[in-house]
Amino acid sequence: NAGVMQNPRHLVRRRGQEARLRCSPMKGHSHVYWYRQLPEEGLKFMVYLQKENIIDESGMPKERFSAEFPKEGPSILRIQQVVRGDSAAYFCASSPSQGAFGNTIYFGEGSWLTVV
Amino acid sequence: GQNIDQPTEMTATEGAIVQINCTYQTSGFNGLFWYQQHAGEAPTFLSYNVLDGLEEKGRFSSFLSRSKGYSYLLLKELQMKDSASYLCAVPYQAGTALIFGKGTTLSVSS
Repeated sequence: NAGVMQNPRHLVRRRGQEARLRCSPMKGHSHVYWYRQLPEEGLKFMVYLQKENIIDESGMPKERFSAEFPKEGPSILRIQQVVRGDSAAYFCASSPSQGAFGNTIYFGEGSWLTVV
Repeated sequence: GQNIDQPTEMTATEGAIVQINCTYQTSGFNGLFWYQQHAGEAPTFLSYNVLDGLEEKGRFSSFLSRSKGYSYLLLKELQMKDSASYLCAVPYQAGTALIFGKGTTLSVSS
C-alpha cells in the first residue's frame, strides 16, 4: 500500500516564478494537510482540505499561496511569485477521515523548495 | 489557541533512558501525538494519548496528564538510530489538523 506521495522531491525556482507541489494521499484517505518546515523550525500548519473543499486555511499566507484538492488527481499547493523566504520543506499528510480525533496522520517524504 | 513547549536539544548515550517532556495549552483537548523525524525525512507516527497514564510500545512509552497539560516520551535502551527530532503535537482548536511543537533534537552518542 503506497504511502503519501509527493512530487517533486526537490524543486529550484528563481524569484518571481511559480512553484507547484503535488500530493497524492494514501489509498482510502480523503483528507489532506499541508505543512511548511523552515530550517531549524517546527512544522507549521498551512491548510486542510477534503476533496473539492478547503476546510481550514488559517495557516496559509494571505497572498501568493493557494491549495486545491480536486475530485480527480492530487492535491496541489501553488506558490506564485516565489521569494527567497519561501525556501522550505513542504510536507503533505493525509488521514482516512477527519484528522486528529484519534486518526493517525501520515506524512509524505516532503518537497524541498529552493528559491534562488 | 494552542501553545506547545519542548526542550530544544537533548543528548544521551547508547543504552541509556531519556525522557522528552512536552507541555501544552489548548482550547479543547482531543489527544496528544508524538512523531519522530530524522533529518531530511518525513515525520513518522510514534504514539497517541487521549487518556491519562502511560502507554507502552516496545522501547518507547508515552505519558499524559491532562490536568497538568503535560506529556513525556520515554525512550529506553537508546540506539544510535534514535538520534532524531521528536515532535509533540495536539489537534488544532477546530479539532482538525495537528499543531506541532518545534521539536526536541535528540543526539545519541556511543
